[in-house]
Amino acid sequence: EAGVAQSPRYKIIEKRQSVAFWCNPISGHATLYWYQQILGQGPKLLIQFQNNGVVDDSQLPKDRFSAERLKGVDSTLKIQPAKLEDSAVYLCASSPGTSGIARGRTDTQYFGPGTRLTVL
Amino acid sequence: LAKTTQPISMDSYEGQEVNITCSHNNIATNDYITWYQQFPSQGPRFIIQGYKTKVTNEVASLFIPADRKSSTLSLPRVSLSDTAVYYCLVGDYSGAGSYQLTFGKGTKLSVIP
Repeated sequence: EAGVAQSPRYKIIEKRQSVAFWCNPISGHATLYWYQQILGQGPKLLIQFQNNGVVDDSQLPKDRFSAERLKGVDSTLKIQPAKLEDSAVYLCASSPGTSGIARGRTDTQYFGPGTRLTVL
Repeated sequence: LAKTTQPISMDSYEGQEVNITCSHNNIATNDYITWYQQFPSQGPRFIIQGYKTKVTNEVASLFIPADRKSSTLSLPRVSLSDTAVYYCLVGDYSGAGSYQLTFGKGTKLSVIP
């Protein structure tokens, strides 16, 4: 079974430039997540999609970050304009979105390799 | 904020059993405890999830006492390839009302030859 695919793997840009990341989740997975992981810290959830609808984007800096998941499959995350503090690894994850999962029990998330962004 | 507390780092020699304890004093009645592993330059990987007593799979065991205020991830006979960061997670409801996992800084395990 193919895993979560992300591209590019690395990106270097200057501040105020724009950048976009792409994610292809595991086939059939209904839920897709974007995380930001700053060096030395755990991943921080930016946005969660269920099919092509947004479940949670409460931690997404909406003045500069945007994300979409067209047709409920692939997703793109965009930063415009980038700031120095956006330097991080951007991780995409997907989960089956199992219905009827027990309350308090979370779906297993499958992570991609991430995109390492450096903003100069 | 993450609902868990775990050691920042641990060292172990190859072949030893490693136990990483996590405290979650405010765990809710319905919450499960989940552990993920992250190697350098990779995304986290699910290891194990449990609710009470003991759960075992091909990779690890998870021990949860009756009060569920802590849990211990046990890795039998670690090898150099087990060097990674291990995250203990308990779900929480976000401001938007969705139930999700919040990652803390994790425990960096270094296995020494």
